[in-house]
Amino acid sequence: DAEITQSPRHKITETGRQVTLACHQTWNHNNMFWYRQDLGHGLRLIHYSYGVHDTNKGEVSDGYSVSRSNTEDLPLTLESAASSQTSVYFCASLGGLKTEAFFGQGTRLTVV
Amino acid sequence: SQQGEEDPQALSIQEGENATMNCSYKTSINNLQWYRQNSGRGLVHLILIRSNEREKHSGRLRVTLDTSKKSSSLLITASRAADTASYFCATDASSGDKLTFGTGTRLAVRP
Repeated sequence: DAEITQSPRHKITETGRQVTLACHQTWNHNNMFWYRQDLGHGLRLIHYSYGVHDTNKGEVSDGYSVSRSNTEDLPLTLESAASSQTSVYFCASLGGLKTEAFFGQGTRLTVV
Repeated sequence: SQQGEEDPQALSIQEGENATMNCSYKTSINNLQWYRQNSGRGLVHLILIRSNEREKHSGRLRVTLDTSKKSSSLLITASRAADTASYFCATDASSGDKLTFGTGTRLAVRP
């Protein structure tokens, strides 16, 4: 069965370190998204991609970057981790207009 | 800023009762979707309603969409304790393909 997986599921890192969160999907979807979820804010869009070599900024993109070298993967990099980036991160993929999104199980990141 | 805002933020009902949650959004949309999130898990798609549809049913779920008021409602009938979760609406704006989520409604169903 097709799926979308995130790794790691939990990560603790120190302020200032570079961190990369992995997202891998086997749906062959062109559209992939990264969200962060914080209490009181719901899910906020960080970055998204509509296909290989395409990346776009979402509403909370500062301090984050993504790259899309193939259809299956969209890694999210925190260039220099800050305590404000402590959150739960979700990756999602979408087949296209009028279709449902599939979510990974999330990565809980703690920056100390 | 969030495209969607759910109301109420939290809802507690007795098993067997109906639960209604509402979503308001800001811009023109292609479609609106509802998702469910159990504690500590990813979101799971429940139902999608297109902008030219007014009502849709799926099992115990009923979704309505009023594009003139930019609002939608999700009704869960005959609720069960297993329906306890957070529920989010998501919209994809007419101008693009990305999903924007609201802040969610936390539903607690008491046995």
